[in-house]
Amino acid sequence: DVKVTQSSRYLVKRTGEKVFLECVQDMDHENMFWYRQDPGLGLRLIYFSYDVKMKEKGDIPEGYSVSREKKERFSLILESASTNQTSMYLCASSPRIHEQYFGPGTRLTVT
Amino acid sequence: ILNVEQSPQSLHVQEGDSTNFTCSFPSSNFYALHWYRWETAKSPEALFVMTLNGDEKKKGRISATLNTKEGYSYLYIKGSQPEDSATYLCAFEAAGNKLTFGGGTRVLVKP
Repeated sequence: DVKVTQSSRYLVKRTGEKVFLECVQDMDHENMFWYRQDPGLGLRLIYFSYDVKMKEKGDIPEGYSVSREKKERFSLILESASTNQTSMYLCASSPRIHEQYFGPGTRLTVT
Repeated sequence: ILNVEQSPQSLHVQEGDSTNFTCSFPSSNFYALHWYRWETAKSPEALFVMTLNGDEKKKGRISATLNTKEGYSYLYIKGSQPEDSATYLCAFEAAGNKLTFGGGTRVLVKP
C-alpha cells in the first residue's frame, strides 16, 4: 500500500511566520505535488517535482517555495504566512504522471 | 489555466436512489480523465482513470463514462448508500502534463 504522510493534520500560525509543511512517501515515487483546496475551487496545484532537487511551478506558486533534497520528502514553505494562505494543503505522489496518491491533508490557519 | 468544471456543486440523494453528475473539460490535448472520491477526514482516493473516448469503467455501484470529443464525463452512483457521501473530484490530464482538478461535487446521501 502506498503511504503518503504529512507532518501535521492541523496547524495554526501567525501572520509573518515562516511555515514548513512536510510530506513523505514510502513508495520510491519520482513525482510529488503540493495542492491547496478551498471551498468551491477544487484542488489547485502550487508546485510539483519530478526528481530530487527539481521543482516546477504549478498554477498558484506565489507566496510559496518548495524543497526536495531527498526522493521521499517534499517540503512546502510559506516564507511569510498571510491570512489568504489559510487553506487545506494536500500532498500527493505518483510513480508516473497518471496515478496520484494523496496524503491526509494539513489544515492551516493563519491568524 | 485549463477550465475543468463539475456540476452540480452539491446534491442531496435519498438512500436507495440513483444519481449522476458531470465533469466537463477541454476537448483538445486530452490524455486522461481521472475521478477521485474524497471522504471527510480522509485522503482523496482514486476511482477511475479513463483514457479512451467511449470508455466506461465500473467499481461496485459506481460507474463512469467518457466522451473526449465533446469534453465531458459522467459519474453514476446506483442505489446510493450513506457511505457514498463524499466529494467527487474529476481531474483532466493533458498530454505529458499535470492534473487540473474541477471544483468537485459534494454528495450527501440521506438515510
